[in-house]
Amino acid sequence: SAVISQKPSRDICQRGTSLTIQCQVDSQVTMMFWYRQQPGQSLTLIATANQGSEATYESGFVIDKFPISRPNLTFSTLTVSNMSPEDSSIYLCSAEGPGARFRTEAFFGQGTRLTVV
Amino acid sequence: ELKVEQNPLFLSMQEGKNYTIYCNYSTTSDRLYWYRQDPGKSLESLFVLLSNGAVKQEGRLMASLDTKARLSTLHITAAVHDLSATYFCAVETSGSRLTFGEGTQLTVNP
Repeated sequence: SAVISQKPSRDICQRGTSLTIQCQVDSQVTMMFWYRQQPGQSLTLIATANQGSEATYESGFVIDKFPISRPNLTFSTLTVSNMSPEDSSIYLCSAEGPGARFRTEAFFGQGTRLTVV
Repeated sequence: ELKVEQNPLFLSMQEGKNYTIYCNYSTTSDRLYWYRQDPGKSLESLFVLLSNGAVKQEGRLMASLDTKARLSTLHITAAVHDLSATYFCAVETSGSRLTFGEGTQLTVNP
């Protein structure tokens, strides 16, 4: 079974709409992150999802565009708001934290491939 | 601002040959990762390098870390077609955040 599960795995959305991506980890983790991979590009960190508090965003990313929730130690959501074709990317959830499985490595979900038309 | 640079960005090699991918980074770091990504897929963790002089090997791949030179290498020995993929290095900074290199797209030809 998957260690980190993302839903949906892919979606095609109309511009101006919003999409919420879910990330479920099969054990409690300290740190969860959201990354974006634009077509043919490397990965860029969007934000750190903090449990019980507001997410910490990287330069160039804002909460209004990418609201993030993290209600507990195993789950997070990323919303891509008011989408435009430039938001077409793969969005990946990552986790790292206590527990032998995660302690020294950052693992990634399978990604959500978003196409905005 | 941390910069992570990989080279080469594109690598086409023959089966059976050896080659090295380089990853340079601009600031001190706690950890360095190597990931593999197949087309349309997510990232597969290959190696985590935790200290200066660390060397790890798995099959035909060997990774090393020189923290003084801020350099990591991924060496491919006797390449096979199944190794064709994009390889990323990523440097961990404060708060366990990862900064990725541009990726090296490796094609191994029969």
